[in-house]
Amino acid sequence: GAVVSQHPSWVICKSGTSVKIECRSLDFQATTMFWYRQFPKQSLMLMATSNEGSKATYEQGVEKDKFLINHASLTLSTLTVTSAHPEDSSFYICSARWRGAGETQYFGPGTRLLVL
Amino acid sequence: AQSVSQHNHHVILSEAASLELGCNYSYGGTVNLFWYVQYPGQHLQLLLKYFSGDPLVKGIKGFEAEFIKSKFSFNLRKPSVQWSDTAEYFCAVKTSYDKVIFGPGTSLSVIP
Repeated sequence: GAVVSQHPSWVICKSGTSVKIECRSLDFQATTMFWYRQFPKQSLMLMATSNEGSKATYEQGVEKDKFLINHASLTLSTLTVTSAHPEDSSFYICSARWRGAGETQYFGPGTRLLVL
Repeated sequence: AQSVSQHNHHVILSEAASLELGCNYSYGGTVNLFWYVQYPGQHLQLLLKYFSGDPLVKGIKGFEAEFIKSKFSFNLRKPSVQWSDTAEYFCAVKTSYDKVIFGPGTSLSVIP
């Protein structure tokens, strides 16, 4: 149980385009979802926290107009990288938790984004 | 600011050797502690967690960790590693601010 999927698993796009990444909880209702960014050989950096039906809470330094997060349902959150640039190339990972899991987060497989 | 440090960036061990990965955090309040593992090409998986109670917690695959509050530490141990334990290990701390902060990770390579 507690499976989280992400789609797509990897994406290549041109600079200036927007890219949408989906995060789904497959067998549970995720009251909270988290979006992380992981640079090569580095740890995960929390970008934002989203609760179903409310606006996402962004970490300091993360541009909310550039990284649009929508958590429209208890099983789906989306991250849209708007007007992507090469410096946005990274590995984006989502995680989800539900109230019954306490504080345990379950992670998706990640999405690798390459902006040319 | 809260932070998590891990003692080693890269550890290389032979099979059957004992493992201890250090983790320290800086936060004076109540914490929840986690160790996650990321096998090559796979996503993060929870190894074990500590919320309260017995400070010695046992996780999957023979791993255990000990929470020492006075030292702000949560070290991961395994008495005998296997080649299949080769992975990246992340210590994580959740504070009362409801954020999970990850350590920089330790890459473990086990030589057959």
